[in-house]
Amino acid sequence: GQQVQQSPASLVLQEGENAELQCNFSTSLNSMQWFYQRPGGSLVSLFYNPSGTKHSGRLTSTTVIKERRSSLHISSSQTTDSGTYLCALEPPEGADRLTFGKGTQLIIQP
Amino acid sequence: EAGVTQSPRYAVLQEGQAVSFWCDPISGHDTLYWYQQPRDQGPQLLVYFRDEAVIDNSQLPSDRFSAVRPKGTNSTLKIQSAKQGDTATYLCASSLGGEQYFGPGTRLTVL
Repeated sequence: GQQVQQSPASLVLQEGENAELQCNFSTSLNSMQWFYQRPGGSLVSLFYNPSGTKHSGRLTSTTVIKERRSSLHISSSQTTDSGTYLCALEPPEGADRLTFGKGTQLIIQP
Repeated sequence: EAGVTQSPRYAVLQEGQAVSFWCDPISGHDTLYWYQQPRDQGPQLLVYFRDEAVIDNSQLPSDRFSAVRPKGTNSTLKIQSAKQGDTATYLCASSLGGEQYFGPGTRLTVL
């Protein structure tokens, strides 16, 4: 089965609402990374989070290893937050072998 | 500092045609990765290099795909005889022992 599962597959919100994106994994990991991908664009790293909670502006990432999950929270969403959010598992053997989820497509409507 | 650059940005070809993708990593990065990202999927690693050496190409369809990095800097990914199932975005990334930095990708459509 797939090692990294993301949910939901897509999410439509009104501007100002909060978004919660989930990533569940079935294997051991060194860290979880969250990326943002614009339509047709490159990936931008948002968080490198081996465990615990990290904050960056309106974004919060929480990784709970014993529960095999990581989440990305976006508060007070803006239309410019629209795009695809990907989580990637870094295995214990190192950062060369990232395993990505399928992504969550986020659409923020004005 | 310039990021990872890729060309072309888009390619459209008929089944059976060949195509090459080019990647220029961040200067000084010793590790270079090629990923395939089908529509509505996450990127999947095809091959990666450390300097000019292939470290892992186990996911590269070797009968039609090839990748080289002869001087340990730029890299070329080639598809010899494209199939419709190769339709995807091809991403290049580079790193120096840690975080990977991604290029804008080449979007390939095989008709």
